[in-house]
Amino acid sequence: GAGVSQTPSNKVTEKGKYVELRCDPISGHTALYWYRQSLGQGPEFLIYFQGTGAADDSGLPNDRFFAVRPEGSVSTLKIQRTERGDSAVYLCASSPSGSVETQYFGPGTRLLVL
Amino acid sequence: KQEVTQIPAALSVPEGENLVLNCSFTDSAIYNLQWFRQDPGKGLTSLLLIQSSQREQTSGRLNASLDKSSGRSTLYIAASQPGDSATYLCAVKGTSGTYKYIFGTGTRLKVLA
Repeated sequence: GAGVSQTPSNKVTEKGKYVELRCDPISGHTALYWYRQSLGQGPEFLIYFQGTGAADDSGLPNDRFFAVRPEGSVSTLKIQRTERGDSAVYLCASSPSGSVETQYFGPGTRLLVL
Repeated sequence: KQEVTQIPAALSVPEGENLVLNCSFTDSAIYNLQWFRQDPGKGLTSLLLIQSSQREQTSGRLNASLDKSSGRSTLYIAASQPGDSATYLCAVKGTSGTYKYIFGTGTRLKVLA
């Protein structure tokens, strides 16, 4: 079956620009997570959605980062006024309900801010 | 604040060896611990999930153990193969109403043919 998909796979932008990263979770999964992974590091939690609402956004580094999931399926991570330090791989994961199940990860979007 | 450490950072072994990867965490109040595999340029694949009440989980040549009181988990890989080459990450989920995983920095494994 279809897994978690993320688009684009790669994104190159200039400092100060706005970017949107998209995540399509596995159909029927109500829980969706965004993580950020820098080179040589483990993934760092950003935000967790249960349905349409952000149940935990404690990992968002500052107010330039925002995520939405308006219909409880596809999610978009939005970064305003990008900085070179935002360069990383942004991973999305989904799980059936978010409590005890395994998280299924997408392949990630590699963001490079020049 | 939960911190997860993995040792060693990198490991290179000849094919056929049994090996152990280590994961330690500072806060023993965890809900579960999960081991993941990450291939270069790819997302993460879950290997084993151990609930806090469990001591170990097995899947094929993989065995993961959990000692919550000492804040340690090990991933044992039997009869390693070149296809096992990847980065192995452990992650813990806390008990205090959180749904997020805290990840270690991973062990980069290379199995030589």
